[in-house]
Amino acid sequence: AQKITQTQPGMFVQEKEAVTLDCTYDTSDQSYGLFWYKQPSSGEMIFLIYQGSYDEQNATEGRYSLNFQKARKSANLVISASQLGDSAMYFCAMREFSYGGATNKLIFGTGTLLAVQP
Amino acid sequence: DVKVTQSSRYLVKRTGEKVFLECVQDMDHENMFWYRQDPGLGLRLIYFSYDVKMKEKGDIPEGYSVSREKKERFSLILESASTNQTSMYLCASSLGTPGNTIYFGEGSWLTVV
Repeated sequence: AQKITQTQPGMFVQEKEAVTLDCTYDTSDQSYGLFWYKQPSSGEMIFLIYQGSYDEQNATEGRYSLNFQKARKSANLVISASQLGDSAMYFCAMREFSYGGATNKLIFGTGTLLAVQP
Repeated sequence: DVKVTQSSRYLVKRTGEKVFLECVQDMDHENMFWYRQDPGLGLRLIYFSYDVKMKEKGDIPEGYSVSREKKERFSLILESASTNQTSMYLCASSLGTPGNTIYFGEGSWLTVV
C-alpha cells in the first residue's frame, strides 16, 4: 500500500541557514509523482515543488529543491537561505499515476512543523 | 491562477445538524477532492470525484456524502454532524491527467458542539 512517512514532527532553523525536511515513501507503482506543500497558520495549502518518478534531474523552484533518491524511496525538501516567512507546516505527498480515474488521489504524510528563528 | 474557493471559512454547528461544505473551482478541472486534516494525522481523503456525478470513496468516507452536479462545484455533506467531525476540511482540484498538481482551497474550520 502506498504510504508517506515524515519522521520529523518539528524542526528549528536559524534564519539564512539551509534546512532539509525528510520524506520517505512506499509504492509498488513505477509511475508516480511527489509533491511538497506548505501550510502556514492561515490554513491554506500552498504547492511548492513537484518531482516525477521518471525525472532524472532533481526539481528546483527558487529556494526550494527536492533531493530525490529513487532507490532509497526518499524525496527530501531542501530550503536554502531560510526566511522568517518559511515558518509553517510542510507536507510531503505522493500521487500514483494509474489511469482509470480511481487512483489519482494524493496521499499525505503527517507533516513537519518548521520554525525559523531570527 | 487556479482558484479553489470554499464557501465557509469558519462554521459552528450543533450535533445532529445537516452540514453542507461547498467548494468551487474556476479552472475546468475534472478531479475534485475533499480532505480532512487533524493534528498528528496529516490529511486524509474523504471522497473524490473525477467527473460530474461521479464519486469515489476515499480513506474515511463514513459519516459523509458528496455531490457533484456541475463540473466546477463539489459539495461535502455531513448528514448528521457529530463532535468527532470537528476538524479542518480542505477542498482541492486538479486536471484529470496524472502528474498535474492538485490545488487547494483555504480550508473550512468546522466545530460541532
